Amino acid sequence: KAGVTQTPRYLIKTRGQQVTLSCSPISGHRSVSWYQQTPGQGLQFLFEYFSETQRNKGNFPGRFSGRQFSNSRSEMNVSTLELGDSALYLCASSWAKNTEAFFGQGTRLTVV
Amino acid sequence: AQKITQTQPGMFVQEKEAVTLDCTYDTSDQSYGLFWYKQPSSGEMIFLIYQGSYDEQNATEGRYSLNFQKARKSANLVISASQLGDSAMYFCAMREAHAGGTSYGKLTFGQGTILTVHP
Repeated sequence: KAGVTQTPRYLIKTRGQQVTLSCSPISGHRSVSWYQQTPGQGLQFLFEYFSETQRNKGNFPGRFSGRQFSNSRSEMNVSTLELGDSALYLCASSWAKNTEAFFGQGTRLTVV
Repeated sequence: AQKITQTQPGMFVQEKEAVTLDCTYDTSDQSYGLFWYKQPSSGEMIFLIYQGSYDEQNATEGRYSLNFQKARKSANLVISASQLGDSAMYFCAMREAHAGGTSYGKLTFGQGTILTVHP
């Protein structure tokens, strides 16, 4: 059974550009959540999608957005990139409440 | 608001010995889940073990066990027979199962503990 797949693994962008990251959950999992990890702030919740609907959102500016498709794959988009957006972005998938959440390998975004 | 506290920034253990990583949590919910993850330097977040708040027995997964003390709101990870490959960052996390809600995925993480296993 394939795990959670995130693409791309590494990304270098320039300030002001936008970026789209992709996450394919484990087959059968309908919940996808996204996290940003930085040395200073640790792991912070971005948002969660379930059945193509955003169920929960963290405290991030509107430049951060996401969506989920009918096959449960999810994308997150960051517009007008800032240097502070440099981070490891992780997504996790789950199939039900009170069950394990599995993470992908992450996308390491560097903004220069 | 839910909160996870890991008070040990770094821990050292000798190979083949057991080690306990501390985690305390704060929540007003009755239904929640507790997780431990391992993050090696590559960045991947590896699921280790899960404990539901209503589970009566402590969770175990191979060399990993979770010492769940609900009244004290603690969920310590015990790694038995440490191996060199266990050297990594370890995160404790919690997910609240909101009554009547459909939020499955929001995890709140602690700051992590860096474990170093010495040969």
